[in-house]
Amino acid sequence: AQRVTQPEKLLSVFKGAPVELKCNYSYSGSPELFWYVQYSRQRLQLLLRHISRESIKGFTADLNKGETSFHLKKPFAQEEDSAMYYCAPLGPENDSYDKVIFGPGTSLSVIP
Amino acid sequence: EAQVTQNPRYLITVTGKKLTVTCSQNMNHEYMSWYRQDPGLGLRQIYYSMNVEVTDKGDVPEGYKVSRKEKRNFPLILESPSPNQTSLYFCASSPTRLFGGYTFGSGTRLTVV
Repeated sequence: AQRVTQPEKLLSVFKGAPVELKCNYSYSGSPELFWYVQYSRQRLQLLLRHISRESIKGFTADLNKGETSFHLKKPFAQEEDSAMYYCAPLGPENDSYDKVIFGPGTSLSVIP
Repeated sequence: EAQVTQNPRYLITVTGKKLTVTCSQNMNHEYMSWYRQDPGLGLRQIYYSMNVEVTDKGDVPEGYKVSRKEKRNFPLILESPSPNQTSLYFCASSPTRLFGGYTFGSGTRLTVV
């Protein structure tokens, strides 16, 4: 079965330090990959998607097919980045797997 | 404004009393889904719908029903709620299963006593 892991439940970094939120997936083929963010008491929001190669709020994510990883990175953390982050790979259609599964999430805390 | 609207935002009910949480989107999205969010368990998919009259179970469908009679609406029905269904529920939609990522509703906090 497809799985998504985010090994860190909690991650604390100091303001201005680099951030890396890890995500590993087990899918055959080439999944589409998304990161979502949930600020305190708010709805989840799409942060970025791999296919668009965007950089949102200074975050980027690199797909490493060899390691089946899609880690989220930011060179300099800001206090407003404190939130819950979810990785959500989407399995390829030929797997006939239409469920969208989220990773367990990583809570990022940026220390002033 | 493009959005997913859930109602109600908060609901307290008693065990066994049928309830419906509504979800509506105004973006003509084909794919809609329901998730529950619980501490330590993250987001778990309850049901999803690829299009009108096409629904299927997610990972935790027990105790829930859905329907998709119109493209914009995807209500979540709890026929006989139990305390273990106390949770934060999110509805989400996407243009198709593969394209664009989700737009989420603002959530419904349900308490079953």
